Amino acid sequence: AQSVTQPDIHITVSEGASLELRCNYSYGATPYLFWYVQSPGQGLQLLLKYFSGDTLVQGIKGFEAEFKRSQSSFNLRKPSVHWSDAAEYFCAVGAQAGTALIFGKGTTLSVSS
Amino acid sequence: GAVVSQHPSWVICKSGTSVKIECRSLDFQATTMFWYRQFPKQSLMLMATSNEGSKATYEQGVEKDKFLINHASLTLSTLTVTSAHPEDSSFYICSARGRDRETNYGYTFGSGTRLTVV
Repeated sequence: AQSVTQPDIHITVSEGASLELRCNYSYGATPYLFWYVQSPGQGLQLLLKYFSGDTLVQGIKGFEAEFKRSQSSFNLRKPSVHWSDAAEYFCAVGAQAGTALIFGKGTTLSVSS
Repeated sequence: GAVVSQHPSWVICKSGTSVKIECRSLDFQATTMFWYRQFPKQSLMLMATSNEGSKATYEQGVEKDKFLINHASLTLSTLTVTSAHPEDSSFYICSARGRDRETNYGYTFGSGTRLTVV
């Protein structure tokens, strides 16, 4: 069965600094990988997804993620963080098209001024 | 793009009563709906998967008699929390899968429902 690990529970970044959120997955084949963001009391917003092809994926709000098969990782990056990026970030994996997603425990991002 | 509407956004009910949560796919036909539950400061846990016209498949540990899922049409799935108790208080989120390229992966989520049982 697939699983997702987000090693960092809470990260604080200064506004304008770069950001990297880590995500490791466990799955035998190439998974479908996702990053979502959730503001308090809100639903999930899809930042980006990887199904196949180019391993560097561009998303919304200036985010990108890189799929590294050798490391079983799909880390999320942003070159310059804005205060509005403070939220909960979830990495998720799907085994195949149409199956339910399995989510990591999430990383809380705080942005300091 | 694909939109999933979830209603209500929040609900407060008395212990022992039942609450129905609706999840609608607004611009596509949802062949499969997924229901998740999220406790405060925790991740989303899959509760059940429902295919249109079929009985829902529940994850281990989820009480099917307490969490009734109906997926009678291609645009609507409902989750009914029966005889709710305070421990059922949580954030419930649905996601829907359609048939076309954009929606085929079932990864469009509703905005969630905050249930508080008092």
